[in-house]
Amino acid sequence: KAGVTQTPRYLIKTRGQQVTLSCSPISGHRSVSWYQQTPGQGLQFLFEYFSETQRNKGNFPGRFSGRQFSNSRSEMNVSTLELGDSALYLCASSLAVSSSSGNTIYFGEGSWLTVV
Amino acid sequence: SQQGEEDPQALSIQEGENATMNCSYKTSINNLQWYRQNSGRGLVHLILIRSNEREKHSGRLRVTLDTSKKSSSLLITASRAADTASYFCATVLREGGSEKLVFGKGTKLTVNP
Repeated sequence: KAGVTQTPRYLIKTRGQQVTLSCSPISGHRSVSWYQQTPGQGLQFLFEYFSETQRNKGNFPGRFSGRQFSNSRSEMNVSTLELGDSALYLCASSLAVSSSSGNTIYFGEGSWLTVV
Repeated sequence: SQQGEEDPQALSIQEGENATMNCSYKTSINNLQWYRQNSGRGLVHLILIRSNEREKHSGRLRVTLDTSKKSSSLLITASRAADTASYFCATVLREGGSEKLVFGKGTKLTVNP
């Protein structure tokens, strides 16, 4: 079956703009997590949605938001972009909440965001 | 906050050699997972070891877990150029009423042909 699909793969935005990234999980998966990856900070957890509800949240400012639809597809939005938001944004899906014991999560290829 | 920390940060070896990467974590865990990431791509799950297991094998991979030392190691035997990637350990961190899967900063492995 198809893996986790993220769109767009690459995008360039200007400071102050906003951006929306999309993630389609593996069929049947109800959990979607988002991560930001930068060379300096590594992989940082943004938030997780399960059955359209935000279950867990990382330590990011309110400019970062997300949502999940009834078909489990998820979007994340970053408003008022800053240069430091340039990163690889990774989406991951799993059957259960990602922190569940023994639960394997599957990652998409990521969306490369460059803020200029 | 980081839960897991991998060591070394970078490792360069010749094809055929073994590669060992270590991970230390801070809090008690139910399990620990290892992932691989090829440059600029998504992460791929390699292996999960539960807290009541001490060692686990999968093909050329061997993972050990020492809960008393809060550490794990990943051994790749008979390495190949295709093993060149970054390797991350991941554990669940419970913080402020939230649970999340957190990753270390990774070990960048280069296998030279």
